[in-house]
Amino acid sequence: SQQGEEDPQALSIQEGENATMNCSYKTSINNLQWYRQNSGRGLVHLILIRSNEREKHSGRLRVTLDTSKKSSSLLITASRAADTASYFCAPFYNQGGKLIFGQGTELSVKP
Amino acid sequence: DAGVIQSPRHEVTEMGQEVTLRCKPISGHDYLFWYRQTMMRGLELLIYFNNNVPIDDSGMPEDRFSAKMPNASFSTLKIQPSEPRDSAVYFCASSLPRTYGGYTFGSGTRLTVV
Repeated sequence: SQQGEEDPQALSIQEGENATMNCSYKTSINNLQWYRQNSGRGLVHLILIRSNEREKHSGRLRVTLDTSKKSSSLLITASRAADTASYFCAPFYNQGGKLIFGQGTELSVKP
Repeated sequence: DAGVIQSPRHEVTEMGQEVTLRCKPISGHDYLFWYRQTMMRGLELLIYFNNNVPIDDSGMPEDRFSAKMPNASFSTLKIQPSEPRDSAVYFCASSLPRTYGGYTFGSGTRLTVV
């Protein structure tokens, strides 16, 4: 399958805590992307990490990539209620040229 | 830029009717994607275009579905005839070549077929 597999399926934390979501994929990638979807809205691109990168930061987001394990993680630090959303990883492979999305991780941040 | 614009936002139609969903991608983006999202099946890629040419339509569920991109600024997804199981949120997204960045999604069209 070309899609990423997110884990856990659901995560509930308190405001101020950190949230970690994991993603696994099957074969060699060109890059891996993370998206957020708020309820009733379209997906929003958060961050892209290339296969030759190991870590990337964007504000409170930290993404790691381990190509030997074919896995990635998304860390949201100091979470806020506004971070409540579904988060999807999308591996982009060297051929085919399309993003296939998994079921996502549903994050709930309680005030 | 106004982003990817989809219309209508909501559509309620009767079974058997033709439905046309519209999408205006971001100017300069040369890839356009149509996705469908349901609770049961998640987010499914239906078809995508590059420079107005359909590249992969393997996700189109049946012959009842068709998509066109007559020019770089407009695409349609048509369902004829519609069925209740087509009820879903349909998203359009556009991008530059994927190695340069991510997709920009529209707000979606919520389709209800009764």
